[in-house]
Amino acid sequence: GQQVQQSPASLVLQEGENAELQCNFSSTATQLQWFYQSPGGSLVSLLSNPSGTKHTGRLTSTTVTKERRSSLHISSSQTTDSGTYLCAIVNNYAQGLTFGLGTRVSVFP
Amino acid sequence: GALVYQYPRRTICKSGTSMRMECQAVGFQATSVAWYRQSPQKTFELIALSTVNSAIKYEQNFTQEKFPISHPNLSFSSMTVLNAYLEDRGLYLCGAKPGLGGLEQYFGPGTRLTVL
Repeated sequence: GQQVQQSPASLVLQEGENAELQCNFSSTATQLQWFYQSPGGSLVSLLSNPSGTKHTGRLTSTTVTKERRSSLHISSSQTTDSGTYLCAIVNNYAQGLTFGLGTRVSVFP
Repeated sequence: GALVYQYPRRTICKSGTSMRMECQAVGFQATSVAWYRQSPQKTFELIALSTVNSAIKYEQNFTQEKFPISHPNLSFSSMTVLNAYLEDRGLYLCGAKPGLGGLEQYFGPGTRLTVL
């Protein structure tokens, strides 16, 4: 089956620092999404990026499809960025998403 | 905009009883709906994928007998957790896709199930 590995498992930042989160997957992905899960549990879609580089606000995702990896860069972190960042893939349109375990980010002032 | 509502947001049930949760798509037609569960200290697992006019596809370790799903139209889906036990506790998410070839899934806020 397909697997999604994320690293690091957790990350502690001081406000203003940048962060790089990694996602590696073991099968070809037709879709890759980055999600943010708040401490309360709600899931928010951040970026859908099956290949190339995409930006939204302070977030940049770069996916290298051939190498089966994606990264999420958070610039100028804020305390409100604290939470869990999940990477998820689909390897065909008919299937649901397969999620990684996530990276728990804690940003302190 | 596209929104997905889930009801209830939190629920508690006694061990051995059943719990039904609902998912409502607003602002788009939910051609397919996926149900996920996040158990404590774990990531989201796909339970089943329901596509209108097609059979519901359950993932390994999840069955229709335990998690019956209804997807009667393009805006609504429900799932029941039958005979719930401690291992069924967690956050249940509904993810709805607006089209068969679409990439984006819109997620609801989830139903958090506690089993006593």
